[in-house]
Amino acid sequence: EPEVTQTPSHQVTQMGQEVILRCVPISNHLYFYWYRQILGQKVEFLVSFYNNEISEKSEIFDDQFSVERPDGSNFTLKIRSTKLEDSAMYFCASRPRGLAGDTQYFGPGTRLTVL
Amino acid sequence: AQSVTQLDSHVSVSEGTPVLLRCNYSSSYSPSLFWYVQHPNKGLQLLLKYTSAATLVKGINGFEAEFKKSETSFHLTKPSAHMSDAAEYFCVVRGGSQGNLIFGKGTKLSVKP
Repeated sequence: EPEVTQTPSHQVTQMGQEVILRCVPISNHLYFYWYRQILGQKVEFLVSFYNNEISEKSEIFDDQFSVERPDGSNFTLKIRSTKLEDSAMYFCASRPRGLAGDTQYFGPGTRLTVL
Repeated sequence: AQSVTQLDSHVSVSEGTPVLLRCNYSSSYSPSLFWYVQHPNKGLQLLLKYTSAATLVKGINGFEAEFKKSETSFHLTKPSAHMSDAAEYFCVVRGGSQGNLIFGKGTKLSVKP
């Protein structure tokens, strides 16, 4: 069964450094998402991406964040200058169009630790 | 605005006994509701979803949920818990037009032998 994959599983970085989190969505999906979960808190929506552009973003997704689909398979989240409060589990998700379009399929997550 | 409230942060049951995880929703229109499960060190897996068809929704692993508009509830149930059901469960509502999901705080289910 196809699945969403994410790399790396765990990323440790120093405050102020740039990080890129990578996701490979399911191949025939058209909508892509990033969510994050700070330890002990809710899963929160960050951004959605469709047709090579951001379609919706939350207040969390400020100028420090960017997303890109550099080729036909990868979907990346970049944090330009990491802060301590960016430490969280980051989930990528994708969904198809049409009647099945309500279901989002999640990757296993990348745990980001900012020191 | 859409929101969900999970009424219990932790539920503990014995193996073989019923499971009830409670969720209330708030929505300005007919909602799309989901339950996702997260096993330790794993991603989020869809258990079931409600999208305005049958109000009783059956999911994987013997779970089901009933949409009750009058009570604005979408509780998750299973007749008989198994040790492998121990995990965190999230009640989720579809948010904006682009399909972003709004999560509850989660309920951690423990299953005792």
